[in-house]
Amino acid sequence: EAGVVQSPRYKIIEKKQPVAFWCNPISGHNTLYWYLQNLGQGPELLIRYENEEAVDDSQLPKDRFSAERLKGVDSTLKIQPAELGDSAVYLCASSKGQGLNEQFFGPGTRLTVL
Amino acid sequence: QKEVEQDPGPLSVPEGAIVSLNCTYSNSAFQYFMWYRQYSRKGPELLMYTYSSGNKEDGRFTAQVDKSSKYISLFIRDSQPSDSATYLCAMSERAGNNRKLIWGLGTSLAVNP
Repeated sequence: EAGVVQSPRYKIIEKKQPVAFWCNPISGHNTLYWYLQNLGQGPELLIRYENEEAVDDSQLPKDRFSAERLKGVDSTLKIQPAELGDSAVYLCASSKGQGLNEQFFGPGTRLTVL
Repeated sequence: QKEVEQDPGPLSVPEGAIVSLNCTYSNSAFQYFMWYRQYSRKGPELLMYTYSSGNKEDGRFTAQVDKSSKYISLFIRDSQPSDSATYLCAMSERAGNNRKLIWGLGTSLAVNP
């Protein structure tokens, strides 16, 4: 079974530029999460999807961040415009949404904003 | 005060040592306690999961929860160089989809051959 796929793995951009991250969850997983992880910190939830519906986006900075999961499968997270403080690892996770609801994480996209 | 406190280390031990990793928390409503392991350049992976108080053992790993002290521990016996990683504790009030995980900072562990 393939794990959570994320691309790109690394991205370097200049501030004020836009950037997008893509995530393909494990097949059959209805719940998808986007997290932000700074160095030496635990993951911070940005948004959670149940199928195509964003059910928790309270921590998403909506002035510059947006996300979509149009068909309830893969998802895109966008930042426009990027700021220096957005440099971090952006993790995607998915879960079946039942029982233990274990979250499976992708390898992350490491963003550097110059 | 953060809801979950975890010493970031780094912790360095010789191969074969017993490792003790700990987290404290302030929210008495937490009932579900997890330990994740994160290798460099990888996402976290669930290692141990415990509900309420007590111990849980899985091979060389033992998770303990002491709700009266609001303290959780992960013990690694006969530590191996392959155990070198960052260990994150996470906890929540509820199970299922609507739970929100509260994470510790992670403890960096190096097991030296």
